[in-house]
Amino acid sequence: EDKVVQSPLSLVVHEGDTVTLNCSYEVTNFRSLLWYKQEKKAPTFLFMLTSSGIEKKSGRLSSILDKKELFSILNITATQTGDSAIYLCAVELYSGGGADGLTFGKGTHLIIQP
Amino acid sequence: EPEVTQTPSHQVTQMGQEVILRCVPISNHLYFYWYRQILGQKVEFLVSFYNNEISEKSEIFDDQFSVERPDGSNFTLKIRSTKLEDSAMYFCASSEGGGSYEQYFGPGTRLTVT
Repeated sequence: EDKVVQSPLSLVVHEGDTVTLNCSYEVTNFRSLLWYKQEKKAPTFLFMLTSSGIEKKSGRLSSILDKKELFSILNITATQTGDSAIYLCAVELYSGGGADGLTFGKGTHLIIQP
Repeated sequence: EPEVTQTPSHQVTQMGQEVILRCVPISNHLYFYWYRQILGQKVEFLVSFYNNEISEKSEIFDDQFSVERPDGSNFTLKIRSTKLEDSAMYFCASSEGGGSYEQYFGPGTRLTVT
């Protein structure tokens, strides 16, 4: 069975701290790994990673994939209260059908205290 | 910025009734998806759709579910005879391409079956 495991499940930090969120996966036919931010409703796309060792960066957020050890991390530096959300990791698999559904982890609930 | 829209935002129905959830994907996207999230649980893939047919479906997507693209803009999910356990948030997503393309999610429809 394909598995995506995120840790920690919840995390409370103070504004200005740096956080690292983890995502490990055990899947067949890996294609890509995606990170989403879920605030109230819709998951909002952050990053897509397909190659090992190449860091993707957007402002204070960055992410990297290790395909040998089967994990990814999402870093957020100088956290702000607006970063409070559930961060979802999802893996896309090759299905052969062309439109591949994503397999999600349970998410990390991040709370930033002022 | 283009976005996926969904209607209604909240639907309440009685057990055994049929419901249709509607989505308008991003206009130049060709691949469409439905996911659901039962309260407190993971986001789960239901089905993907491309070129007017189902591309991939999960075990959850049984005979009571169907999808359709009735015109050039809408994408619908029909649940024929709702059960209590169908209560969930249903997300529509779309992507430009079928593999290693970001999937963009709509705001969701909260379905409550009583």
